[in-house]
Amino acid sequence: NAGVTQTPKFQVLKTGQSMTLQCAQDMNHEYMSWYRQDPGMGLRLIHYSVGAGITDQGEVPNGYNVSRSTTEDFPLRLLSAAPSQTSVYFCASRRDPRYEQYFGPGTRLTVT
Amino acid sequence: GDSVTQMEGPVTLSEEAFLTINCTYTATGYPSLFWYVQYPGEGLQLLLKATKADDKGSNKGFEATYRKETTSFHLEKGSVQVSDSAVYFCALISGNQFYFGTGTSLTVIP
Repeated sequence: NAGVTQTPKFQVLKTGQSMTLQCAQDMNHEYMSWYRQDPGMGLRLIHYSVGAGITDQGEVPNGYNVSRSTTEDFPLRLLSAAPSQTSVYFCASRRDPRYEQYFGPGTRLTVT
Repeated sequence: GDSVTQMEGPVTLSEEAFLTINCTYTATGYPSLFWYVQYPGEGLQLLLKATKADDKGSNKGFEATYRKETTSFHLEKGSVQVSDSAVYFCALISGNQFYFGTGTSLTVIP
């Protein structure tokens, strides 16, 4: 049981490049979320999904796309990277809205 | 709206000192409350939780009690160790949304 996994662990992009951050969970959780963590700002919700085929925007969705074709996977796409997207990105999952979240180890992204 | 406020850091303590990290919340209804811990270079891990008023969550020597009358969920540990150095986040669930505090950095020196 690997929990929540994220790849890559580190990534450097140039402004304007696109990429996909991968997230997978093996706990059969319906709810999955993407957060970004910036110094002094805590965690901010980017997008979330309440089940396969259903996604919604969080607090800071601009510049990011998501899709959820399977229960296990929830990739985050950066369409055209900007320096303001330099951050640490965490994926999380939970069984039900009433329960705690489980976090992946994070992806540290630098955009130059 | 719903929110979590936790004490500003950073906090620096000597080994075996007593730790308190304050957390207060604003929420409608009866939220579940959590403390998460983030060690350097890692993701957040659930430390403890409480789901109703007067519940006490505990784990690894840490404790927090759900106080509805003061809307608080303060984290305490009687004797900290160097290995407790980390960032601690208070959080709540309201509706189907998670709300996190901004985190409190703790450094324990030998």
